[in-house]
Amino acid sequence: AQSVAQPEDQVNVAEGNPLTVKCTYSVSGNPYLFWYVQYPNRGLQFLLKYITGDNLVKGSYGFEAEFNKSQTSFHLKKPSALVSDSALYFCAVRDMGTGTASKLTFGTGTRLQVTL
Amino acid sequence: KAGVTQTPRYLIKTRGQQVTLSCSPISGHRSVSWYQQTPGQGLQFLFEYFSETQRNKGNFPGRFSGRQFSNSRSEMNVSTLELGDSALYLCASSLTTSGRGETQYFGPGTRLLVL
Repeated sequence: AQSVAQPEDQVNVAEGNPLTVKCTYSVSGNPYLFWYVQYPNRGLQFLLKYITGDNLVKGSYGFEAEFNKSQTSFHLKKPSALVSDSALYFCAVRDMGTGTASKLTFGTGTRLQVTL
Repeated sequence: KAGVTQTPRYLIKTRGQQVTLSCSPISGHRSVSWYQQTPGQGLQFLFEYFSETQRNKGNFPGRFSGRQFSNSRSEMNVSTLELGDSALYLCASSLTTSGRGETQYFGPGTRLLVL
């Protein structure tokens, strides 16, 4: 079965500093990886995904993610953090299972706290 | 284009009751998936529907069921509610079900509290 791990429950960063939220994956075959963000009392918002191609994926709100096959990682990054980026971030992997049906398997989430 | 909508947004029920949650996908999307989010278990997949057929099911008891209508709208039902069913129920839609790179777009969720 496919899985992702988010090793940090919380990441703290000062506004204006670069941020990294870590994600490692375990898949059989090619990985299809996603990042979502969740603000309080809201659903999940799609940020970006990796399917194939360039290892650096650019997404919404200035976020990007770096895919590293040798380290089986897909870390989320942003060059300059904003207080408004404070939220819960989820890494997910597409789990094809059997047949053509598919589901997303999520990590446990990382809370990002950006302070002034 | 309107996003995924879920109704109701909040719900309070008592143990033993049943509940029905509704999800309207993004226009043109034919696949609807449901997830349960709890502090203890995180985000867990419930089931996925495409063209009115259940295509995939997670590890939940039979008390959890769903269906999809011809207009792609979906409902999920939980019978004989238990305290542990208190959660945020999220619906997600995508164009199809077979694309590995298919993006799922989530609704705001229905927060269910079972007393």
